[in-house]
Amino acid sequence: TAGITQAPTSQILAAGRSMTLRCTQDMRHNAMYWYRQDLGLGLRLIHYSNTAGTTGKGEVPDGYSVSRANTDDFPLTLASAVPSQTSVYFCASSEGTSGRTDTQYFGPGTRLTVL
Amino acid sequence: GENVEQHPSTLSVQEGDSAVIKCTYSDSASNYFPWYKQELGKGPQLIIDIRSNVGEKKDQRIAVTLNKTAKHFSLHITETQPEDSAVYFCACKKGGYQKVTFGIGTKLQVIP
Repeated sequence: TAGITQAPTSQILAAGRSMTLRCTQDMRHNAMYWYRQDLGLGLRLIHYSNTAGTTGKGEVPDGYSVSRANTDDFPLTLASAVPSQTSVYFCASSEGTSGRTDTQYFGPGTRLTVL
Repeated sequence: GENVEQHPSTLSVQEGDSAVIKCTYSDSASNYFPWYKQELGKGPQLIIDIRSNVGEKKDQRIAVTLNKTAKHFSLHITETQPEDSAVYFCACKKGGYQKVTFGIGTKLQVIP
């Protein structure tokens, strides 16, 4: 079982360009999440989705958008990248049904540099 | 919203010694407290978790304690080994909500 895959592994992007970070899970989890990880700030939630067809804003949503067309995929889009979006981005998922199964499983991350 | 504070930010211990990482949280409605280990270049992985209806949980060399009255919980690693070197994150969440709030992380170095 692959778990969660993310693509690309790393990317250098010019400021003002758009980009979509891809995330796919094969665990049939209902809930999915996008975090960014910055030194000294830990993991901060960008957007989340409790189930296919629904999304919600996290702690730092500005400049990012997400969609959840199906259970497996949860892409994160930067419409017009800025240098402050340089970070490591992690996708995660959890079963998200009764609330009893709370474990979040993380992907390997995407390292994004915006110049 | 929930606020999680984690201490220390860095910790160096000799191989075989114990390591303790502490976290405090602000929302008394939080009832699930996981700990994650992140190795260099990888995503965080759950190592142990505890729910609010218990005060302590152990898994081999790792234990977590929870004091709901004081709103703090701790990770204890005994007989540390070099492979324990990593960044450790505490986190908490409220029942009925999917969102998890993370601490800023503790970089643990185990010196052989």
